[in-house]
Amino acid sequence: DTEVTQTPKHLVMGMTNKKSLKCEQHMGHRAMYWYKQKAKKPPELMFVYSYEKLSINESVPSRFSPECPNSSLLNLHLHALQPEDSALYLCASSQVQIPHEQYFGPGTRLTVT
Amino acid sequence: GQSLEQPSEVTAVEGAIVQINCTYQTSGFYGLSWYQQHDGGAPTFLSYNALDGLEETGRFSSFLSRSDSYGYLLLQELQMKDSASYFCAVRDRLTGGGNKLTFGTGTQLKVEL
Repeated sequence: DTEVTQTPKHLVMGMTNKKSLKCEQHMGHRAMYWYKQKAKKPPELMFVYSYEKLSINESVPSRFSPECPNSSLLNLHLHALQPEDSALYLCASSQVQIPHEQYFGPGTRLTVT
Repeated sequence: GQSLEQPSEVTAVEGAIVQINCTYQTSGFYGLSWYQQHDGGAPTFLSYNALDGLEETGRFSSFLSRSDSYGYLLLQELQMKDSASYFCAVRDRLTGGGNKLTFGTGTQLKVEL
């Protein structure tokens, strides 16, 4: 199984809402990533988890809160977002020793109103 | 810091060969990856070069010259389904402990009949 799944596919939320994005993989990968991608732009790294511990936080605002409950799951908790946070949020996973070969999920299209 | 430059757009006809270039500036260079992303889809890993030379995978090949800080992706026997965005991505041992990929600006490939 080489699939990374993400839910929901689409999300519309107001600036005062709290929501969560979910990501799951069953490839035995112990590195998991969150990216943000705007239209016609490259993916921008937000967070990296390695062996379920946060190893990289790219100075992401605290209104984004990641969580890795176990080796298969990755969550991104959202609170008090701004309209400029509207984007495609991509989850990826890889073997820890092979971070250059990442497997991406289909993404969650987030719209903040 | 790091920077990666790619042409923004390339157009070619079906059956032709196309080369997508990537120049990078980074310290502690580890390797260069290539990813394909169709509109509305997830990035998909294509290839990785850590050493100078050409890596061939079916219709796709990737080349790296570390001394020139330059790489390219070569697509042969182009098909309509190859129309997509292509991103180079640098892995840097000084950034994120070597676990971070920084993506290039992306090249939109259009394949015409």
